[in-house]
Amino acid sequence: DTEVTQTPKHLVMGMTNKKSLKCEQHMGHRAMYWYKQKAKKPPELMFVYSYEKLSINESVPSRFSPECPNSSLLNLHLHALQPEDSALYLCASSQDRVGELFFGEGSRLTVL
Amino acid sequence: AQKITQTQPGMFVQEKEAVTLDCTYDTSDPSYGLFWYKQPSSGEMIFLIYQGSYDQQNATEGRYSLNFQKARKSANLVISASQLGDSAMYFCAMREHFTGNQFYFGTGTSLTVIP
Repeated sequence: DTEVTQTPKHLVMGMTNKKSLKCEQHMGHRAMYWYKQKAKKPPELMFVYSYEKLSINESVPSRFSPECPNSSLLNLHLHALQPEDSALYLCASSQDRVGELFFGEGSRLTVL
Repeated sequence: AQKITQTQPGMFVQEKEAVTLDCTYDTSDPSYGLFWYKQPSSGEMIFLIYQGSYDQQNATEGRYSLNFQKARKSANLVISASQLGDSAMYFCAMREHFTGNQFYFGTGTSLTVIP
């Protein structure tokens, strides 16, 4: 059982839709991450929150908007996406500045 | 320069045999951690093994061991007694003390176990 829970597991949306991906962890981790992954490629870092503050933004387009409501939750709001944004979106958490990443099972996004 | 290099895009191994997946890294930070992850076709990234830069001994976790050669900056994953369920993508990653929450991933190796 993964200790990082992501919902939904699959999402299909049109280019004009607004949707959100959600992530939750109860391991007491203070760092939370969003990664984007294309098939057969490594995960690409999008955002990192440390103690609920955005600490890394890897020049992600504004159509992706992260939110960290509290230390256990991480959201990724999606608006006006493009077909090339179709990918597996992975949420992860870790202790701040040490230890391994714990990944969720991912949300597989298709943009039509 | 690439922080993590995995030079084997694809590997094949016979069931029950051992296989080594290569990983080299580049850092000037004396304090860092090295990680291996497995990603089956289902998509979940599964943590396998960790090696700290100050660890004196090579890490082992069940059938997984990490061949850590600090002077050569290599951290190869050895899987013993391969099983069909080991077929997956394998990623090597590094975390530096200085850069904190930034993880660097290699391009991955696709391992196929042949019955």
